[in-house]
Amino acid sequence: DAGITQSPRYKITETGRQVTLMCHQTWSHSYMFWYRQDLGHGLRLIYYSAAADITDKGEVPDGYVVSRSKTENFPLTLESATRSQTSVYFCASSKGPPGNQPQHFGDGTRLSIL
Amino acid sequence: GEDVEQSLFLSVREGDSSVINCTYTDSSSTYLYWYKQEPGAGLQLLTYIFSNMDMKQDQRLTVLLNKKDKHLSLRIADTQTGDSAIYFCAETGGAGNMLTFGGGTRLMVKP
Repeated sequence: DAGITQSPRYKITETGRQVTLMCHQTWSHSYMFWYRQDLGHGLRLIYYSAAADITDKGEVPDGYVVSRSKTENFPLTLESATRSQTSVYFCASSKGPPGNQPQHFGDGTRLSIL
Repeated sequence: GEDVEQSLFLSVREGDSSVINCTYTDSSSTYLYWYKQEPGAGLQLLTYIFSNMDMKQDQRLTVLLNKKDKHLSLRIADTQTGDSAIYFCAETGGAGNMLTFGGGTRLMVKP
């Protein structure tokens, strides 16, 4: 049971570069989410997706792009990375809407932007 | 907007009970969750409670919900060193019923 996997686990890049974080789930969950975790802020929602080809903004979407061409994958792209995007990024999925179903998290990607 | 508050740190002795507290502001919350995060790992769902309940017990875990005061607590009985982690409460409510997380409480268990 693979569950939800994120790659890479660690990434170092430079400002201005494009970087894509991958998220893959094997449960066929409808909903997928991207969060960032920063000291003093807990987890904040970046983007979410209710189904393939349906995405919507969360609390902190600026500077990020997502896509969901297949149910099992939900990549997050930083088109031109900035130092303020240094963070730990978590992907999550749930069977149904957040109000009805718990979310299950991947192990995170630690991203450093120099 | 919604706000979820937790104390930053809790230290207990092995074998004692731990109580982690959480307050929230959104009275329309449907579910309230407790997640555990160990170093270098993602968030693991521990337990959750529906807003029409006031208590839920699951082995060593007891969740208490006071809707009037918008207060949620997680009690861990017979705390073990393996319980050392960061604990997050989260509630669903507001626009789109998205999860809003507290800042996390770091639990340290001393042998």
